[in-house]
Amino acid sequence: DAGVIQSPRHEVTEMGQEVTLRCKPISGHDYLFWYRQTMMRGLELLIYFNNNVPIDDSGMPEDRFSAKMPNASFSTLKIQPSEPRDSAVYFCASRAGGIQYFGAGTRLSVL
Amino acid sequence: AQSVTQLGSHVSVSEGALVLLRCNYSSSVPPYLFWYVQYPNQGLQLLLKYTSAATLVKGINGFEAEFKKSETSFHLTKPSAHMSDAAEYFCAVSASVSGGYNKLIFGAGTRLAVHP
Repeated sequence: DAGVIQSPRHEVTEMGQEVTLRCKPISGHDYLFWYRQTMMRGLELLIYFNNNVPIDDSGMPEDRFSAKMPNASFSTLKIQPSEPRDSAVYFCASRAGGIQYFGAGTRLSVL
Repeated sequence: AQSVTQLGSHVSVSEGALVLLRCNYSSSVPPYLFWYVQYPNQGLQLLLKYTSAATLVKGINGFEAEFKKSETSFHLTKPSAHMSDAAEYFCAVSASVSGGYNKLIFGAGTRLAVHP
């Protein structure tokens, strides 16, 4: 299996622009998680899905952030409009057998 | 609510020396505990997990951790450090009063440096 696949690996955008991050979970995994990693706040859970349904979005920082999972093999995290403080590494993880498997992350820079 | 404290944001050891990375947790219900490793520009990789079976857990790359309920600790050890162990290590707890173990709460991480 190729593991959890995230795209793009790097994203540089200007303040105010819309940003979409993409994730393909491991086939057969029924949970999907979005995390954000920053130096100041460490690893934070933003939202997670079970069988494509959002279960807990209490970690989503603001209404500018939204996440969808239209099917079992694809999820997006969207930021609109983006701000410099959104600069971070965003990870997607999928879960099976109680273990979360992480993608390589998307490094987002908002100028 | 659950929380994790990793003592020491940076640890430096000599190659061949013992590695000890400290983790203390807080949980009102029996927890599941994990150690993950992150190499530069990569995602997190599971080293080992504790899910209420044996208290001494062996993981990949020669690492192991011991769950001590009385001390609320889950320290990570390796008898002999290798240069390739240089990375950032995260301790995480998962627990839920409603019976689910879906959310991972991560510690701040410990960066391990290994010098010749």
